[in-house]
Amino acid sequence: DAGVIQSPRHEVTEMGQEVTLRCKPISGHDYLFWYRQTMMRGLELLIYFNNNVPIDDSGMPEDRFSAKMPNASFSTLKIQPSEPRDSAVYFCASKERYTEAFFGQGTRLTVV
Amino acid sequence: AQSVTQLDSQVPVFEEAPVELRCNYSSSVSVYLFWYVQYPNQGLQLLLKYLSGSTLVKGINGFEAEFNKSQTSFHLRKPSVHISDTAEYFCAVSDHAGNMLTFGGGTRLMVKP
Repeated sequence: DAGVIQSPRHEVTEMGQEVTLRCKPISGHDYLFWYRQTMMRGLELLIYFNNNVPIDDSGMPEDRFSAKMPNASFSTLKIQPSEPRDSAVYFCASKERYTEAFFGQGTRLTVV
Repeated sequence: AQSVTQLDSQVPVFEEAPVELRCNYSSSVSVYLFWYVQYPNQGLQLLLKYLSGSTLVKGINGFEAEFNKSQTSFHLRKPSVHISDTAEYFCAVSDHAGNMLTFGGGTRLMVKP
Protein backbone atom coordinates (compact mmCIF):
# COMPACT_ATOMS: atom_id res chain seq x y z
CA ASP A 1 0.00 0.00 0.00
CA ALA A 2 1.21 3.53 -0.74
CA GLY A 3 0.29 4.75 2.71
CA VAL A 4 -2.01 7.64 3.54
CA ILE A 5 -2.10 10.06 0.64
CA GLN A 6 -2.89 13.73 1.11
CA SER A 7 -3.32 16.41 -1.52
CA PRO A 8 -2.27 19.04 -2.15
CA ARG A 9 1.07 19.10 -0.28
CA HIS A 10 1.07 22.89 -0.27
CA GLU A 11 -1.78 25.35 -0.64
CA VAL A 12 -1.60 29.12 -0.68
CA THR A 13 -4.89 30.94 -0.81
CA GLU A 14 -6.33 34.36 -0.17
CA MET A 15 -8.42 35.14 2.85
CA GLY A 16 -12.08 34.48 2.19
CA GLN A 17 -11.51 31.73 -0.35
CA GLU A 18 -12.71 28.16 0.04
CA VAL A 19 -10.04 25.54 0.64
CA THR A 20 -10.47 21.78 0.27
CA LEU A 21 -7.94 19.30 1.59
CA ARG A 22 -8.08 15.68 0.48
CA CYS A 23 -7.11 12.38 2.02
CA LYS A 24 -6.99 8.79 0.83
CA PRO A 25 -6.58 6.41 3.79
CA ILE A 26 -4.87 3.05 3.73
CA SER A 27 -7.14 0.40 2.27
CA GLY A 28 -8.89 -1.64 4.97
CA HIS A 29 -8.47 0.95 7.71
CA ASP A 30 -11.78 1.82 9.33
CA TYR A 31 -10.70 4.89 11.30
CA LEU A 32 -9.73 8.23 9.78
CA PHE A 33 -8.46 11.28 11.65
CA TRP A 34 -7.86 14.91 10.72
CA TYR A 35 -5.25 16.80 12.79
CA ARG A 36 -3.98 20.36 12.64
CA GLN A 37 -0.44 21.29 13.70
CA THR A 38 0.76 24.78 14.58
CA MET A 39 3.69 26.09 16.58
CA MET A 40 1.38 27.68 19.13
CA ARG A 41 -1.09 24.86 19.70
CA GLY A 42 0.84 21.74 18.71
CA LEU A 43 -1.04 18.77 17.27
CA GLU A 44 -4.82 19.11 17.60
CA LEU A 45 -7.41 16.48 16.71
CA LEU A 46 -10.12 18.11 14.61
CA ILE A 47 -12.41 15.19 13.83
CA TYR A 48 -12.37 11.45 13.42
CA PHE A 49 -14.49 8.95 11.51
CA ASN A 50 -15.23 5.29 12.07
CA ASN A 51 -16.60 3.35 9.10
CA ASN A 52 -17.18 6.67 7.30
CA VAL A 53 -19.32 8.06 10.15
CA PRO A 54 -18.11 11.13 12.09
CA ILE A 55 -17.65 10.10 15.71
CA ASP A 56 -16.14 13.13 17.40
CA ASP A 57 -15.97 16.58 15.82
CA SER A 58 -15.50 18.51 19.04
CA GLY A 59 -12.09 19.69 17.86
CA MET A 60 -13.42 21.45 14.78
CA PRO A 61 -12.70 25.10 15.53
CA GLU A 62 -15.87 26.64 14.15
CA ASP A 63 -18.57 26.37 11.53
CA ARG A 64 -16.19 27.44 8.81
CA PHE A 65 -14.67 23.95 9.02
CA SER A 66 -16.44 20.88 7.70
CA ALA A 67 -15.29 17.32 6.99
CA LYS A 68 -16.84 14.53 4.98
CA MET A 69 -16.09 10.92 4.27
CA PRO A 70 -18.34 9.83 1.39
CA ASN A 71 -16.72 6.40 1.15
CA ALA A 72 -14.02 4.28 2.76
CA SER A 73 -11.30 5.54 0.45
CA PHE A 74 -11.75 9.29 0.51
CA SER A 75 -12.20 12.18 2.92
CA THR A 76 -12.19 15.95 2.61
CA LEU A 77 -11.66 18.80 5.03
CA LYS A 78 -13.13 22.08 3.83
CA ILE A 79 -12.60 25.58 5.17
CA GLN A 80 -15.01 28.23 3.94
CA PRO A 81 -14.23 31.09 4.19
CA SER A 82 -10.55 30.72 5.05
CA GLU A 83 -8.77 33.13 7.40
CA PRO A 84 -5.05 33.79 8.05
CA ARG A 85 -5.30 32.08 11.44
CA ASP A 86 -6.16 28.83 9.66
CA SER A 87 -2.59 28.67 8.36
CA ALA A 88 -1.16 25.39 9.63
CA VAL A 89 -0.13 21.92 8.56
CA TYR A 90 -3.12 19.60 8.30
CA PHE A 91 -2.53 15.87 8.71
CA CYS A 92 -4.75 12.96 7.87
CA ALA A 93 -4.19 9.60 9.57
CA SER A 94 -5.86 6.21 9.35
CA LYS A 95 -5.84 3.07 11.47
CA GLU A 96 -7.50 -0.19 12.24
CA ARG A 97 -8.89 -0.76 15.69
CA TYR A 98 -6.29 -1.67 18.34
CA THR A 99 -3.38 -0.56 16.16
CA GLU A 100 -1.27 2.51 15.60
CA ALA A 101 -2.27 5.33 13.29
CA PHE A 102 -0.48 5.93 10.00
CA PHE A 103 -0.01 9.54 8.98
CA GLY A 104 0.08 11.23 5.63
CA GLN A 105 2.75 13.75 4.69
CA GLY A 106 0.47 16.66 5.50
CA THR A 107 -0.86 19.70 3.66
CA ARG A 108 0.80 22.99 4.47
CA LEU A 109 -1.89 25.67 4.21
CA THR A 110 -1.03 29.35 4.02
CA VAL A 111 -3.85 31.87 4.00
CA VAL A 112 -2.74 35.37 3.04
CA ALA B 1 -11.08 10.69 29.15
CA GLN B 2 -7.37 10.31 28.77
CA SER B 3 -4.53 12.80 28.55
CA VAL B 4 -0.81 12.76 27.85
CA THR B 5 1.85 15.03 29.32
CA GLN B 6 5.31 15.36 27.88
CA LEU B 7 7.20 17.14 30.58
CA ASP B 8 9.97 18.62 28.44
CA SER B 9 9.24 20.78 25.41
CA GLN B 10 12.91 20.77 24.36
CA VAL B 11 15.81 18.48 25.19
CA PRO B 12 19.30 19.51 24.05
CA VAL B 13 21.94 16.77 24.16
CA PHE B 14 25.38 16.15 22.74
CA GLU B 15 25.98 13.51 20.12
CA GLU B 16 26.68 10.02 21.53
CA ALA B 17 25.17 10.94 24.90
CA PRO B 18 22.19 9.03 26.30
CA VAL B 19 18.74 10.62 26.30
CA GLU B 20 15.40 10.10 28.01
CA LEU B 21 12.20 11.78 26.85
CA ARG B 22 9.50 11.69 29.48
CA CYS B 23 5.83 10.86 28.98
CA ASN B 24 3.09 10.52 31.57
CA TYR B 25 -0.52 9.68 30.87
CA SER B 26 -3.77 9.67 32.75
CA SER B 27 -6.55 7.25 32.05
CA SER B 28 -9.17 5.46 34.06
CA VAL B 29 -8.85 2.34 31.92
CA SER B 30 -6.09 0.23 30.44
CA VAL B 31 -4.31 1.84 27.53
CA TYR B 32 -2.17 1.30 24.51
CA LEU B 33 0.89 3.56 24.26
CA PHE B 34 2.87 4.87 21.30
CA TRP B 35 5.86 7.02 20.47
CA TYR B 36 6.03 8.82 17.15
CA VAL B 37 8.84 10.82 15.55
CA GLN B 38 8.43 13.77 13.20
CA TYR B 39 11.35 14.92 11.09
CA PRO B 40 11.18 18.44 9.59
CA ASN B 41 8.51 18.88 6.95
CA GLN B 42 7.33 15.30 7.27
CA GLY B 43 4.43 13.41 8.80
CA LEU B 44 4.56 11.41 12.01
CA GLN B 45 6.22 8.01 11.90
CA LEU B 46 5.78 5.27 14.48
CA LEU B 47 8.87 4.59 16.63
CA LEU B 48 7.42 1.92 18.90
CA LYS B 49 4.25 0.77 20.61
CA TYR B 50 3.10 -0.99 23.74
CA LEU B 51 -0.05 -3.07 23.38
CA SER B 52 0.53 -5.82 25.95
CA GLY B 53 3.18 -8.21 27.22
CA SER B 54 6.71 -7.16 28.13
CA THR B 55 6.85 -3.67 29.58
CA LEU B 56 10.15 -2.95 27.80
CA VAL B 57 9.49 -2.20 24.18
CA LYS B 58 12.15 -1.86 21.50
CA GLY B 59 11.57 0.27 18.44
CA ILE B 60 13.34 1.51 15.36
CA ASN B 61 16.60 3.47 15.28
CA GLY B 62 17.79 2.06 18.62
CA PHE B 63 15.02 3.60 20.73
CA GLU B 64 13.26 1.78 23.54
CA ALA B 65 10.56 2.64 26.07
CA GLU B 66 9.35 1.18 29.32
CA PHE B 67 5.73 1.02 30.38
CA ASN B 68 5.34 1.66 34.10
CA LYS B 69 1.74 1.18 35.14
CA SER B 70 2.18 2.33 38.73
CA GLN B 71 3.87 5.54 37.61
CA THR B 72 1.58 5.89 34.57
CA SER B 73 4.67 6.60 32.50
CA PHE B 74 6.09 5.53 29.16
CA HIS B 75 9.50 7.18 28.91
CA LEU B 76 11.54 6.92 25.71
CA ARG B 77 15.27 6.24 25.87
CA LYS B 78 18.27 5.85 23.62
CA PRO B 79 21.74 5.01 24.97
CA SER B 80 23.66 7.02 22.35
CA VAL B 81 22.07 9.62 20.09
CA HIS B 82 23.12 10.73 16.63
CA ILE B 83 22.75 14.05 14.87
CA SER B 84 20.12 12.41 12.69
CA ASP B 85 17.90 11.85 15.76
CA THR B 86 17.17 15.58 15.85
CA ALA B 87 13.40 15.71 15.48
CA GLU B 88 10.17 16.16 17.40
CA TYR B 89 8.91 13.21 19.40
CA PHE B 90 5.28 12.64 20.35
CA CYS B 91 3.85 10.29 22.95
CA ALA B 92 0.29 9.07 22.36
CA VAL B 93 -2.28 6.94 24.15
CA SER B 94 -5.45 5.14 23.15
CA ASP B 95 -7.80 3.25 25.41
CA HIS B 96 -8.61 -0.41 25.03
CA ALA B 97 -11.63 0.45 22.91
CA GLY B 98 -8.83 1.04 20.43
CA ASN B 99 -10.26 3.98 18.59
CA MET B 100 -8.97 7.52 18.98
CA LEU B 101 -5.42 8.58 19.79
CA THR B 102 -4.57 11.37 22.21
CA PHE B 103 -1.19 13.04 21.69
CA GLY B 104 1.10 14.86 24.07
CA GLY B 105 2.49 18.27 23.26
CA GLY B 106 5.71 16.92 21.79
CA THR B 107 9.38 17.12 22.78
CA ARG B 108 11.95 18.63 20.45
CA LEU B 109 15.19 16.66 20.66
CA MET B 110 18.18 18.72 19.57
CA VAL B 111 21.39 16.73 19.14
CA LYS B 112 24.52 18.87 19.07
CA PRO B 113 27.93 17.86 17.69
